[in-house]
Amino acid sequence: AQTVTQSQPEMSVQEAETVTLSCTYDTSESDYYLFWYKQPPSRQMILVIRQEAYKQQNATENRFSVNFQKAAKSFSLKISDSQLGDAAMYFCAYRRGINYGQNFVFGPGTRLSVLP
Amino acid sequence: DTEVTQTPKHLVMGMTNKKSLKCEQHMGHRAMYWYKQKAKKPPELMFVYSYEKLSINESVPSRFSPECPNSSLLNLHLHALQPEDSALYLCASSLSLGSAYEQYFGPGTRLTVT
Repeated sequence: AQTVTQSQPEMSVQEAETVTLSCTYDTSESDYYLFWYKQPPSRQMILVIRQEAYKQQNATENRFSVNFQKAAKSFSLKISDSQLGDAAMYFCAYRRGINYGQNFVFGPGTRLSVLP
Repeated sequence: DTEVTQTPKHLVMGMTNKKSLKCEQHMGHRAMYWYKQKAKKPPELMFVYSYEKLSINESVPSRFSPECPNSSLLNLHLHALQPEDSALYLCASSLSLGSAYEQYFGPGTRLTVT
């Protein structure tokens, strides 16, 4: 079975600084998708960034980028120029690429605080 | 419109009550999901609907009964719940069940069972 690990239960970053959240996963599949979801306090979960395993190029969305190391099964999220609104719980998630109905395997989450 | 709405926002119910949670989306998505989330934990999948048919039931107790009356609406009927069922219940939708498709989450219903 696939597992997702986020080794940092909590992290903090100074406003305008850069922070990296780590995620590792375990799978024997070659075709899969990886996601970072953000859940602010009392607000809904939203997708931050998505990476297809077959793509070597790291995904980027504005201030958010990933470092995808397929051989090492690592998928870290870098947040540049951190803003107060980035404070949230961040979940790394894995989804198999074959067949339909492949459910998310979520990591335990990392709570990010942004200090003014 | 990229919004999933859920009502009510908060619900307090006794163990003998019957209540329902409602989820709605108008994005034309054909897959809809119910998740349960305990505090400081990731969401746990409960049910998946695809084209209004139940696709996945993750061994959820029968006191939770899902219903998908149409492609835009998803209900979760609750009956004889236990205090340990208190949690945030999240609804999500996606274009289809394909693995690449993003799931859009609603804000959740915070349920307290007394």
